[in-house]
Amino acid sequence: AQSVTQLGSHVSVSEGALVLLRCNYSSSVPPYLFWYVQYPNQGLQLLLKYTSAATLVKGINGFEAEFKKSETSFHLTKPSAHMSDAAEYFCAVSRGLRYSTLTFGKGTMLLVSP
Amino acid sequence: DAGVTQSPTHLIKTRGQQVTLRCSPKSGHDTVSWYQQALGQGPQFIFQYYEEEERQRGNFPDRFSGHQFPNYSSELNVNALWLGDSALYLCASSLVGGQHEQYFGPGTRLTVT
Repeated sequence: AQSVTQLGSHVSVSEGALVLLRCNYSSSVPPYLFWYVQYPNQGLQLLLKYTSAATLVKGINGFEAEFKKSETSFHLTKPSAHMSDAAEYFCAVSRGLRYSTLTFGKGTMLLVSP
Repeated sequence: DAGVTQSPTHLIKTRGQQVTLRCSPKSGHDTVSWYQQALGQGPQFIFQYYEEEERQRGNFPDRFSGHQFPNYSSELNVNALWLGDSALYLCASSLVGGQHEQYFGPGTRLTVT
C-alpha cells in the first residue's frame, strides 16, 4: 500500500524566508508524486509533479521539489516566501498504472508573517 | 479552456436525505474521480469513473454511488445522509494513466444537519 506522511501540520515563516515543507512516501514501486496547494474555501491547485523524468522538479509560483529515492522524500521548497503563499499544502502519491488514484497526506498549513 | 466545474457550490441537507452532486471535467479529459475532504483533513478517494464505469473505489459504503455520462460529466449520489457526511466534496478530472495529474474543481460544501 502506498502512503504519504507530511511532517508538521503547521509551518510558520517570515516573508522572504526559505520555505521547506516535508513529505515522505512509502511505495513498493517507483511512484508518481504531486504537490497541491489549497487556498481557503477553494479546491486544490497542482503545484508540481514528479514522474521520473528528473529528480528536481520545478513548479508554479517559484516552488520546486526534489525526489530522493534513498530517503523516500519529496520535500517542497521555495527560496523566498511571499504573503500570498499562505495556504494549505498537500503531498500526494499516485496509485495504479492505468486507473490511478491519489493518496494524500494530512496537509501542512503554511503561515507567512510580515 | 474551462477547467473542472462543480455544482452546487453549497448544500444543506437533513439526516436521512439523499443528495446529488455534479461535475463537468476539464476539456479533453476522460476520467473523473471524486474525493471527500473533511474539515482539517486531506482528501480521501471515493471512486473513479472511466468510460462510464466505476474503475476504482475507496473505502466508502454503498450509500455512495456515482455515474459517468457519455460526455464524461459525472454525478456523485449519497443516500441516507449522516452527520459525518458533512465535508467538501471534490471532483477531479484527468486522462487515464497514473502519470497524469488530476485537476480539481472548486468543490461542493455539503452540510448535514
